[in-house]
Amino acid sequence: DAKTTQPTSMDCAEGRAANLPCNHSTISGNEYVYWYRQIHSQGPQYIIHGLKNNETNEMASLIITEDRKSSTLILPHATLRDTAVYYCIVRVRAAGNKLTFGGGTRVLVKP
Amino acid sequence: SAVISQKPSRDICQRGTSLTIQCQVDSQVTMMFWYRQQPGQSLTLIATANQGSEATYESGFVIDKFPISRPNLTFSTLTVSNMSPEDSSIYLCSVGIGLAGGETQYFGPGTRLLVL
Repeated sequence: DAKTTQPTSMDCAEGRAANLPCNHSTISGNEYVYWYRQIHSQGPQYIIHGLKNNETNEMASLIITEDRKSSTLILPHATLRDTAVYYCIVRVRAAGNKLTFGGGTRVLVKP
Repeated sequence: SAVISQKPSRDICQRGTSLTIQCQVDSQVTMMFWYRQQPGQSLTLIATANQGSEATYESGFVIDKFPISRPNLTFSTLTVSNMSPEDSSIYLCSVGIGLAGGETQYFGPGTRLLVL
């Protein structure tokens, strides 16, 4: 699976949009971009995934560049409960294929 | 998605003993995964457990130390054997949902293990 690069940490203001970048310059054509988050002392929570088109669900939006070498997770209105470590993972979507977690971005939402 | 529970939620154990962690999911799933998260670290996959076959272990993890059972499509156990303080970690199970298990993984709440 391709390696991803994320900022170690970032702060954002409550109520504002949080934009979390991820670089995956060596991504293969059959690898999806997945985002998870881990709130302190909890198991990771699935957020969203995509291949090449932008995706949106009730939690977030995922914007993938046309060359697929980078992506941005957007939390449209950050709340204090969004404080967590966010992991960007690229993975071939196949049965039994593992998730390889990097260091993630530690996001602190401030009042 | 899936609702996943783990037992125990936490435990404190003495070195040299073993602990069995249970993972229960509310629907039948083909693939189950066991991860370890050491203090301050990210998650590392221990093994993949497919019902009806032997678990597949990642490099650095062996069956004698982390035996896994997968008796049916909704349940799995991970045993941490002959524990040492270095085994103090959070142990998490996850399940693959959709596309024969390859779509998305959902995680349980984790088991926090402290070995003294």
